[in-house]
Amino acid sequence: EIVLTQSPGTLSLSPGERATLSCRASQSVSSSYLAWYQQKAGQAPRLLIYGASSRATGIPDRFTGSGSGADFTLTISRLEPEDFAVYYCQQYVGSPGWTFGQGTKVEVK
Amino acid sequence: EVQLVESGGGLVQPGGSLRLSCAASGFTLSSYWMDWVRQAPGKGLVWVSRINSDGYTTSYADSVKGRFTISRDNAKNTLYLQMNSLRAEDTAVYYCARFDFGYDAFDIWGQGTMVTVSS
Repeated sequence: EIVLTQSPGTLSLSPGERATLSCRASQSVSSSYLAWYQQKAGQAPRLLIYGASSRATGIPDRFTGSGSGADFTLTISRLEPEDFAVYYCQQYVGSPGWTFGQGTKVEVK
Repeated sequence: EVQLVESGGGLVQPGGSLRLSCAASGFTLSSYWMDWVRQAPGKGLVWVSRINSDGYTTSYADSVKGRFTISRDNAKNTLYLQMNSLRAEDTAVYYCARFDFGYDAFDIWGQGTMVTVSS
């Protein structure tokens, strides 16, 4: 069973700062199925990054995904007020389906 | 506008049943695989079930296998989740999500419907 571990659990930063979020898999996984989502309080998740490093339609270029094998990173170059949210990584684990990391909350310092 | 709208959530007693619906608009449901994902209060996202575009192939998380059934009516542009033998641990917001093979990810999500299992 593939487990995704995100770190840190909470990231306290100020607007304009750089955020670096980690997603580590318990074994090597396919980059093709590694995605990142943003979820704001009371809202549904929104797709940010797919295929580990490609931005979804309409996602600002301050969001960058990188990594391969078992280690993946989401970087937000300069935090905007609307970026404070919870971020989840996701990976396809074959049968039966998908797994998510436990999330990283980016909060205002 | 491409949109998914869930309905059917509510309060149900342990052991009871509920059927969730997810109405799609702005796109042709029959062209997409669809999934259900849930989120317990204050917790993270958990994948629940998947159905392929014609409805003949389904898969389930172990935690719901044998109790939940995913289905779809492409003519009505609607996805369903029949939930039986509900337990307290099924309490969550249930989201339907569209899987896009271009992204190999869930690109459209509904707003969610809350299911509370309690006596």
